[in-house]
Amino acid sequence: NAGVTQTPKFRVLKTGQSMTLLCAQDMNHEYMYWYRQDPGMGLRLIHYSVGEGTTAKGEVPDGYNVSRLKKQNFLLGLESAAPSQTSVYFCASIGGLAGGPRTDTQYFGPGTRLTVL
Amino acid sequence: DQQVKQNSPSLSVQEGRISILNCDYTNSMFDYFLWYKKYPAEGPTFLISISSIKDKNEDGRFTVFLNKSAKHLSLHIVPSQPGDSAVYFCAFLNRDDKIIFGKGTRLHILP
Repeated sequence: NAGVTQTPKFRVLKTGQSMTLLCAQDMNHEYMYWYRQDPGMGLRLIHYSVGEGTTAKGEVPDGYNVSRLKKQNFLLGLESAAPSQTSVYFCASIGGLAGGPRTDTQYFGPGTRLTVL
Repeated sequence: DQQVKQNSPSLSVQEGRISILNCDYTNSMFDYFLWYKKYPAEGPTFLISISSIKDKNEDGRFTVFLNKSAKHLSLHIVPSQPGDSAVYFCAFLNRDDKIIFGKGTRLHILP
């Protein structure tokens, strides 16, 4: 049981390049989230998903797209990277049903450190 | 507009004493509040949660208090230990399944 894994761990991009960050969980969780963490800003929600085939916008969705084609995977895409997207990106998942005890544990991945030059 | 506010960027507490971390919120449409702990270069780790229908939840050394009238949440750690030195985030889960985080408070446990 690997929990939540993120690929890659580090990446350097040039302005305008594209890339996809992969988040995978093996806990059969319904809910998955992408956050970015910047100094002094805490964790800000980019996009999230409440189940396979669904996605929704978070607090800072601009410049990012997501897809949840399989329940275990949540992809975060940057179509045209900008220096403002330099950050540490965290993926998280949580189980349970709506209205149920889904806050028992939210698992986070180890993070992806992205630098855009 | 920040919905979850942690107004103290850092806090220093003597080992063995009580650590009190505070969080204020503006949005009343939530189901749960959550506390997370984060070490450098690692993902956050869930600590404890409290539902909107309760005012206290305890788990070992960690107790979370919710004051709905004041829109205030606090985390008490007793007794504080060196391994508690980390950044602590409060977050809330609202009714459309968003989990929104505060900016965090860095806790230093002094020997």
